[in-house]
Amino acid sequence: QSALTQPASVSGSPGQSITISCTGTSSDVGGYNHVSWYQQHPVKAPKLMIYEVSNRPSGVSNRFSGSKSGNTASLTISGLQAEDEADYYCCSYAGTSTPFVFGTGTKVTVL
Amino acid sequence: EVQLVESGGGLVQPGGSLRLSCAASGFTFSSHWMNWVRQAPGKGLEWVANINQDGSRKHYVDSVKGRFTISRDSAKNSLYLQLNSLRAEDTAVYYCARDEFYSSISWGQGTLVTVSS
Repeated sequence: QSALTQPASVSGSPGQSITISCTGTSSDVGGYNHVSWYQQHPVKAPKLMIYEVSNRPSGVSNRFSGSKSGNTASLTISGLQAEDEADYYCCSYAGTSTPFVFGTGTKVTVL
Repeated sequence: EVQLVESGGGLVQPGGSLRLSCAASGFTFSSHWMNWVRQAPGKGLEWVANINQDGSRKHYVDSVKGRFTISRDSAKNSLYLQLNSLRAEDTAVYYCARDEFYSSISWGQGTLVTVSS
């Protein structure tokens, strides 16, 4: 099972919107609506931001939204803020053999 | 408040063994699948293993099959990961995480495993 493909870096100015893509295959992203997104600040544990493609856990800002089309999922951050600067990882369910696969990770920089 | 506290990491020689533990509190441990996820220094996240509520179903990433064993003890609200035949590439921070909606909704702070001679 290969890692899902994400851009290495994405940047934007405060207040702007950015979108991070996560490309897999029909065996993972395209086959299930079980895509999640995680935010990780340096030396911290990851934090769940989106689950089941587009759902936000309690306490996560509505500036974060998720979507999926075919084999590609996306995370959009609207109204970019300095605190959003972090690494972001997607993750997809991939069936019963090896249930989960993470993306390669994207470093978000707020200019 | 949900809390997950990992322990058991350390320095071990190649070919050695370690047992990681994760103490859970603040939720009904026996009602959730649990995951182990690792992160090598400066690298991305890698899902390692998971276990269902009663321990009857376990899954592993291919690179650890036959070497790592996940288990749980609901009486102690604890999750475990037995690491055998350790290799340099197993060096990582190991996180335990509570699963909900096919996502790792709560994470511990991690425990560092270093495999080196």
